[in-house]
Amino acid sequence: GAGVSQSPRYKVAKRGQDVALRCDPISGHVSLFWYQQALGQGPEFLTYFQNEAQLDKSGLPSDRFFAERPEGSVSTLKIQRTQQEDSAVYLCASSLGLAGGPLTYEQYFGPGTRLTVT
Amino acid sequence: SQQGEEDPQALSIQEGENATMNCSYKTSINNLQWYRQNSGRGLVHLILIRSNEREKHSGRLRVTLDTSKKSSSLLITASRAADTASYFCATDAWYGGSQGNLIFGKGTKLSVKP
Repeated sequence: GAGVSQSPRYKVAKRGQDVALRCDPISGHVSLFWYQQALGQGPEFLTYFQNEAQLDKSGLPSDRFFAERPEGSVSTLKIQRTQQEDSAVYLCASSLGLAGGPLTYEQYFGPGTRLTVT
Repeated sequence: SQQGEEDPQALSIQEGENATMNCSYKTSINNLQWYRQNSGRGLVHLILIRSNEREKHSGRLRVTLDTSKKSSSLLITASRAADTASYFCATDAWYGGSQGNLIFGKGTKLSVKP
């Protein structure tokens, strides 16, 4: 079956522009995560959805970052008034089960969206 | 902030040799996972080891976990050029407020020369 897909794969934005990054998780996956990966670093957690509920947004770096998953499937990460420090690869991951409990489910990652802010 | 710290940061070996990467972490964990990332691509899950396990095998991969030392190692045997990638350890530290998100290290960049 299809894996996690993300679009666009590459995005160049001028500083101050708003951007929207899309994630299509694997069908039926309950949990959806967004991560930010700076060059040469490991991914860092941004936010987590369980179905349509955003249960954890502790990793969002500022109030310019906003994520939604209105129907519990596709998710959008929006960055308002982009800054150069927002340049990174944004990774989306989904998993079958509920996170935050004693069981751990494998997270399946999309290819990421590389955002460059000029 | 990042939990894990991989060692070495970069590793270059010849095809057929074994590659060993280490990961240290800071807090108590439920489990630890290893991921591979090819250049310009997303992460691929390799193996998960739970906190009550000490060793796990999957094909040419062998993972060990020492919770007393808060460390793990990933061994790739008989390496191939296709193993060239960055390898990350990630912990799933379930604690109050956490929703099971993964906490990654900075990665080890492995280069396997044919």
